[in-house]
Parts: sequence; structure tokens; C-alpha cells
Amino acid sequence: AQSVTQLGSHVSVSEGALVLLRCNYSSSVPPYLFWYVQYPNQGLQLLLKYTSAATLVKGINGFEAEFKKSETSFHLTKPSAHMSDAAEYFCAVSLFGSSASKIIFGSGTRLSIRP
Amino acid sequence: EAGVAQSPRYKIIEKRQSVAFWCNPISGHATLYWYQQILGQGPKLLIQFQNNGVVDDSQLPKDRFSAERLKGVDSTLKIQPAKLEDSAVYLCASSLAGDPETQYFGPGTRLLVL
Repeated sequence: AQSVTQLGSHVSVSEGALVLLRCNYSSSVPPYLFWYVQYPNQGLQLLLKYTSAATLVKGINGFEAEFKKSETSFHLTKPSAHMSDAAEYFCAVSLFGSSASKIIFGSGTRLSIRP
Repeated sequence: EAGVAQSPRYKIIEKRQSVAFWCNPISGHATLYWYQQILGQGPKLLIQFQNNGVVDDSQLPKDRFSAERLKGVDSTLKIQPAKLEDSAVYLCASSLAGDPETQYFGPGTRLLVL
């Protein structure tokens, strides 16, 4: 079965600092991996997705993530944090293309930005 | 392009009462999903429709939850009777039939059961 583990339920960084949100996955076959963002009182929005093409995936709002098979990781980064990045971020995994086609979400990491 | 619409946005009920949530997906999206998001957790899939047929309802508590998508467009999720542990945000999402990796989420319905 597939699963994701997000390390750190809350991350706080200063405005302009590097953002690093950690995600490790577990999957018996090559997975599809996603990062979603959820702003307060809103639904989830897809930031980026990895579907077995390039290992470095660029998303919206300046975020990117790198798929590292050897480390079973898919960490999300942004070089310089903005106040508007404050939100909840969810890592997710799926096995599209198979009978197990549902997305499994992690428990989320709340990102706070200090002025 | 209009997004996924959900109503109501908030609902407060007492335990053992019934409640219904409505979702209208993005036009042309054949696949519709209902998720339950408990505070402090990621969303969990309850049911997935392809047009008006159920694809996956393995995590739907069928003794109290039901969902339908009769005409293959909008959908209703019902809870009857509600329990305290049903307090959560219920998210609806939709996707094109050929692109399940890209799901578009509605704003959700926040349910509080007292």
C-alpha cells in the first residue's frame, strides 16, 4: 500500500528565507507524487506533480520538488518565502494507471512566515 | 472557467440528525470525488464517481453515509444519523476522465456535530 509521511506538522521561516517542507513516501511500485496547498477556508490547489518524467518538478508560485528514489523523498522547496505562502501544504501519493487510482494524502504541514 | 461549487459552506447540527451536502463539478468533468478532512489530517477519499457510476466507495461508512450522482453532473452526500466524529470538512473535487492526476477542489463544507 502507498503512504506518505510529512516530517513536521508546523514549519516557521522568515520572509525571504528558504522554504523546505519534507515528505517521504512508501510505495511498492513507482508512484505518482503531488504537493497541494490549502489556504484558510479554501479547498486544495495542486502545486505540482511528479509522474515519472523529470525528477525535478517545477510548480506554481515558485515552488519546486525533487523526486529522489534512493531516499524515497519528495521534498518541497522555495528559495525565498513570501508572506502569501502561509498555508497548509499536503504531500500525496498515487498509483494512477493501475486499479489503485486514488490519491493518499499526508497529514499536512502548516507553513508560517515571520515578517 | 467556473470552479467546483459546494453548498452549504458551514453546517451545525446535533448528533443523530441528518445532513446533506451538494457539489457541482467543473463543466465537462466526468469524475467526481468526495473527501472527508478531519481537523489536523489530510483529506480521505470517501467515494469516487465516474459519470453516474460509483468507482470506489471502499472508505464510505455505508451504514450512515450515502452519495448519489444521478444525472452524472452534480452530486449529493448525505449523513444519517450524524455522529460527533463526523465533524470535519467535506471536500468535493472533480477531474477530466482522462486526467485523474489533476483534481480540482471546491471550498468545502465545514460540518460541526454537537
